[in-house]
Amino acid sequence: DAGVTQSPTHLIKTRGQQVTLRCSPKSGHDTVSWYQQALGQGPQFIFQYYEEEERQRGNFPDRFSGHQFPNYSSELNVNALLLGDSALYLCASSFLLSGGTYEQYFGPGTRLTVT
Amino acid sequence: AQSVTQLGSHVSVSEGALVLLRCNYSSSVPPYLFWYVQYPNQGLQLLLKYTTGATLVKGINGFEAEFKKSETSFHLTKPSAHMSDAAEYFCAVIAGNKLTFGGGTRVLVKP
Repeated sequence: DAGVTQSPTHLIKTRGQQVTLRCSPKSGHDTVSWYQQALGQGPQFIFQYYEEEERQRGNFPDRFSGHQFPNYSSELNVNALLLGDSALYLCASSFLLSGGTYEQYFGPGTRLTVT
Repeated sequence: AQSVTQLGSHVSVSEGALVLLRCNYSSSVPPYLFWYVQYPNQGLQLLLKYTTGATLVKGINGFEAEFKKSETSFHLTKPSAHMSDAAEYFCAVIAGNKLTFGGGTRVLVKP
């Protein structure tokens, strides 16, 4: 059973460009969340997709957008890249535990460098 | 709103010594708490979780954590450090399927 997969592994872009990152969830998971992890910091929640709709959103500008496909895979798009967008972008898929909470499984991440 | 504070951004321990990583949380709802480990250039791996029931939870690789509601703490321990424990550790609280992480503690293990 494949876990959460992300592509590409690394990416280098120039300021002002646009980027698309991709994520495939773990089998059986229908919810995908995206996190940004800047160097030396903990991950910050960007947004979450369920049933092809954005269900929750963190404190990120509209330059960050996403999409979820019928097969539950997801994309993260960032427009008008800034140097500060350089980070590790983590995708997590989740399922509902019997206790009423969720458990999230993380992919290996995509390292984005903006020059 | 939820928040997590990890005391100490770096911890250095000798191989075989006790590992203690501190985590305090703030939550407006009954907390569900997690510890994740991140090895260099990798994603996050779940070490253990507290949802309900027993307050002492055991995880992978010999780690365990104790939920103390009165102290709003969820400290992570391992009795004997191994070189392979060198990594960054994150404490997190979940609400509505959204994780809020602490800033992380980097563990260095000295031979």
